[in-house]
Amino acid sequence: SQKIEQNSEALNIQEGKTATLTCNYTNYSPAYLQWYRQDPGRGPVFLLLIRENEKEKRKERLKVTFDTTLKQSLFHITASQPADSATYLCALISGNTPLVFGKGTRLSVIA
Amino acid sequence: EAGVTQFPSHSVIEKGQTVTLRCDPISGHDNLYWYRRVMGKEIKFLLHFVKESKQDESGMPNNRFLAERTGGTYSTLKVQPAELEDSGVYFCASSQDTGARGEQYFGPGTRLTVT
Repeated sequence: SQKIEQNSEALNIQEGKTATLTCNYTNYSPAYLQWYRQDPGRGPVFLLLIRENEKEKRKERLKVTFDTTLKQSLFHITASQPADSATYLCALISGNTPLVFGKGTRLSVIA
Repeated sequence: EAGVTQFPSHSVIEKGQTVTLRCDPISGHDNLYWYRRVMGKEIKFLLHFVKESKQDESGMPNNRFLAERTGGTYSTLKVQPAELEDSGVYFCASSQDTGARGEQYFGPGTRLTVT
């Protein structure tokens, strides 16, 4: 069956360190993978999109990698800050099919 | 620019009652999506409108759910009659383009509690 797994439900890291979140998928052939941030009581906010033929994408302190052989995406936040604390969701998309979300990882950056 | 808005923010109803959720997308966005997150589970797609037409309603759980988008502007999602398992957070999103080209903008969600 098709599945998207995000490495852990919760991740705690020290301020200033790099946070690495993992998204693994099985039985999908996504053309694109997106990462969203969600704060409590709010809807997801789009952060980055990476295409299947792209290995890496960067935006300010964020970096996403996409390995279609391993069926995995890694999401990095460098020089993390307490304001980065939130739930991060990965979502797959192929063509015009609906977005398929993972459950998310709740990141806590401790000062 | 105003974002996606949803009303109400929270609704508590009894099993068997009817509830109507409303979504106002970003002006000019032809694509409107409904999603639902049940506690402990991932956000799941319900349906997709392009203007006033239903493009994809493969995620609608059953015929107790009815979505409309009159005039291609705001959309409503009616649950009738509500069951306990309908509890969750209902998100609406809109986008200018479809598929992966279209970054989706989400509303804050409506938390539905069925007792």
